[in-house]
Amino acid sequence: AQSVSQHNHHVILSEAASLELGCNYSYGGTVNLFWYVQYPGQHLQLLLKYFSGDPLVKGIKGFEAEFIKSKFSFNLRKPSVQWSDTAEYFCAVNARGDGGYNKLIFGAGTRLAVHP
Amino acid sequence: DAGVTQSPTHLIKTRGQQVTLRCSPKSGHDTVSWYQQALGQGPQFIFQYYEEEERQRGNFPDRFSGHQFPNYSSELNVNALLLGDSALYLCASSLMLGQRWTSGYEQYFGPGTRLTVT
Repeated sequence: AQSVSQHNHHVILSEAASLELGCNYSYGGTVNLFWYVQYPGQHLQLLLKYFSGDPLVKGIKGFEAEFIKSKFSFNLRKPSVQWSDTAEYFCAVNARGDGGYNKLIFGAGTRLAVHP
Repeated sequence: DAGVTQSPTHLIKTRGQQVTLRCSPKSGHDTVSWYQQALGQGPQFIFQYYEEEERQRGNFPDRFSGHQFPNYSSELNVNALLLGDSALYLCASSLMLGQRWTSGYEQYFGPGTRLTVT
């Protein structure tokens, strides 16, 4: 069965610190990969996605993620976080070829708190 | 351009009751998926509707059922509510484009319905 593991449940950083959130998935076939963010009181929003091509993808608000197929990983990074990045971050995988339809499998999420 | 909308925002029910949640997809989208997000956890896939049929289902009991209407909107029904059904229920819409994968595929989420079962 497909699964997604996010290694850090809670992360606390100071502004301007660098961020890396780990994500590993288990699925042997072709996947689409996503990072979603949920700001306090808001709904889930897509940060970035990987479908194919360059394994380093850039998203909104200065976030990027690198797909390493050999490690089944899709870690999220940001060189310098801001207080406004305080949110919960979810990694998700979507396996292709599942009867032509698809579903997102989410990790448990990482709650990020950035202190000014 | 309206995004995904859900109603109601909050709902309080008693054990054993039945509940119906509603979702209107983003304009132009034809597929609706439902997720349950328990406190402190990531969303879990319940089922997906396309062309008014349930196409995929997650590991949820038959108490959870749904429907998609010709205008692509959808309902989630939960019968015989349990305390453990208390959660945020999320609706997500997407465009299937004839059942083919597209490079732009992604799901757009609504704000959710917070269900509390007492």
